[in-house]
Amino acid sequence: ELKVEQNPLFLSMQEGKNYTIYCNYSTTSDRLYWYRQDPGKSLESLFVLLSNGAVKQEGRLMASLDTKARLSTLHITAAVHDLSATYFCAVPQGGSEKLVFGKGTKLTVNP
Amino acid sequence: DAGVIQSPRHEVTEMGQEVTLRCKPISGHNSLFWYRQTMMRGLELLIYFNNNVPIDDSGMPEDRFSAKMPNASFSTLKIQPSEPRDSAVYFCASSLDRAPYQPQHFGDGTRLSIL
Repeated sequence: ELKVEQNPLFLSMQEGKNYTIYCNYSTTSDRLYWYRQDPGKSLESLFVLLSNGAVKQEGRLMASLDTKARLSTLHITAAVHDLSATYFCAVPQGGSEKLVFGKGTKLTVNP
Repeated sequence: DAGVIQSPRHEVTEMGQEVTLRCKPISGHNSLFWYRQTMMRGLELLIYFNNNVPIDDSGMPEDRFSAKMPNASFSTLKIQPSEPRDSAVYFCASSLDRAPYQPQHFGDGTRLSIL
């Protein structure tokens, strides 16, 4: 059974600082998704990582995928308050369309 | 373009009542997913359809839950009878299986409270 683990689950950081969120998964997969959820809102797609070594960046967020280590990272550079949200990674199970989500990382960026 | 549309946005009802949640996927998408989100269990897939056919319903909690997709533009998730532990946010998502590795697109969710 596929398990997806994120850490940390809670992250409080100051504006201007850098930090990394980690997503580990237990079975082989060639792709991984990152989503953002604001409180009381829907999930918004951030990145789709399709292969080993894939790196994608948008603004202050950069995501990477290491399929051999079964690890993805979401790096935050010079955090700003607007990045406060919960970030989820998700991995397809067995090559199907079924996604298994991590528990999410609740990020709070303080002034 | 319209995204995934869910209704109602909020539902409050008493234990034992029937609850029906509705979803309209993005036009042209042929896969539809129902998720439940709670603080304790996180985001769980309940069931997903491809071309209106249920593919995986292993996440459906019990017989009180049922889902249908009578056509490509409409799906329902029904709970009968409802119980307080069914209180959660229910999301519908859709995608196109022929689009290589595109993300699922989520609706705004239905916040369900069973008293």
